[in-house]
Amino acid sequence: GENVEQHPSTLSVQEGDSAVIKCTYSDSASNYFPWYKQELGKRPQLIIDIRSNVGEKKDQRIAVTLNKTAKHFSLHITETQPEDSAVYFCAASAQTSGSRLTFGEGTQLTVNP
Amino acid sequence: GAVVSQHPSWVICKSGTSVKIECRSLDFQATTMFWYRQFPKQSLMLMATSNEGSKATYEQGVEKDKFLINHASLTLSTLTVTSAHPEDSSFYICSARRWERRGELFFGEGSRLTVL
Repeated sequence: GENVEQHPSTLSVQEGDSAVIKCTYSDSASNYFPWYKQELGKRPQLIIDIRSNVGEKKDQRIAVTLNKTAKHFSLHITETQPEDSAVYFCAASAQTSGSRLTFGEGTQLTVNP
Repeated sequence: GAVVSQHPSWVICKSGTSVKIECRSLDFQATTMFWYRQFPKQSLMLMATSNEGSKATYEQGVEKDKFLINHASLTLSTLTVTSAHPEDSSFYICSARRWERRGELFFGEGSRLTVL
């Protein structure tokens, strides 16, 4: 089955700096890669996703890149703000697996004012 | 946007009792729902895939007799934790797939179960 690894597990940045979180996946059939933000005790919220037919997607301060050959994808947050502090999860799924999502271990992002 | 509602959000029960958690898609029909368990400071672990009108598909290591899943309608899936024990204490989250939104998953608010 799919295995998703995520790094780093914790990330602390100064307000205004950029943050990058990286994930690798094992199943070459995976074709959907969402990123979720989860605040303490709350549900995961989709912040951006990318499908395997594109290499990059951007939405305001958030961007995701995908390298299918290397089987890795990354989340980039620019001009970070304290409200960006949360746990971020990457995930991957393939049509062949019934579109079940496999999550990475999560990254605790702290943006210091 | 799509709304998935989960109930109850908090539940405390005695060891040996059963607890039922409901997951409802409020404004769309969901043929497929997923149940996840999340321990503190850990990732979401898929427990089972709930298919409307058929038996759930459980992930390896998840006891189907302990975690009963019923998906009787296109808007409701239930997870029943039977004979709960303290080690079952966790955050349980459901999600529903909305095909007309390119298969995007929408999560419920989660249910925190504490077994005394």
